[in-house]
Amino acid sequence: QVQLQESGPGLVKPSQTLSLTCNVSGGSIRSGTYFWSWIRRPAGGGLEWIGRIYTSGSTNYNPSLKSRVTISVDTSKNQFSLTLSSVTAADTAVYYCAREDSTGYYDYFDYWGQGTLVTVSS
Amino acid sequence: DIQMTQSPSSLSASVGDRVTITCQASQDITNYLNWYQQKPGKAPKLLIYDASNLETGVPSRFSGSGSGTDFTFTISSLQPEDIATYYCQHYDNLPYTFGQGTKLEIK
Repeated sequence: QVQLQESGPGLVKPSQTLSLTCNVSGGSIRSGTYFWSWIRRPAGGGLEWIGRIYTSGSTNYNPSLKSRVTISVDTSKNQFSLTLSSVTAADTAVYYCAREDSTGYYDYFDYWGQGTLVTVSS
Repeated sequence: DIQMTQSPSSLSASVGDRVTITCQASQDITNYLNWYQQKPGKAPKLLIYDASNLETGVPSRFSGSGSGTDFTFTISSLQPEDIATYYCQHYDNLPYTFGQGTKLEIK
């Protein structure tokens, strides 16, 4: 059973960089045709897709965040990471990592981490 | 970006009721739509993929239908454990977007 777990600081100061890591267990991050994604949910808001990475290192980002986002993968540690620069209070949210299964005709997020709350505040 | 308009934003129903949530896409997404359930403090869980396919292990009281721009998610007989927020999500192209969510409560 694949499991994902986010880790990182819960508090980030405005204008600084948010950094989170997602550790994948129960399977190799290199196996299969999966994308590894970051998704967030602001307080009182809905889910927002941030971006994704394939194990080759190929990335796709939400245009609304593209100038500030970097997603990277470390296959030796079976984990992938998110950095979001120049954060503001609007970036306060619960951040989730998730696996996107695009193996066949269908495409969906089938495994998610529990989520980690990141608050942007001085 | 494709906008996903989900309604209602909140819903109160009794145990045993039939519950329906709708999701409208701003353009044709054929069947490229998923439904997720998120309980408080938990990660979202996939319930329905490709508009109408039930994920393995999900109770048969959950169902989905629709194509093109208009989609429906139904719980045939509401159970207490169904209290959650439900989201639709398209995967027609990037960026993926979600509906704003429907918070379901028990009367």
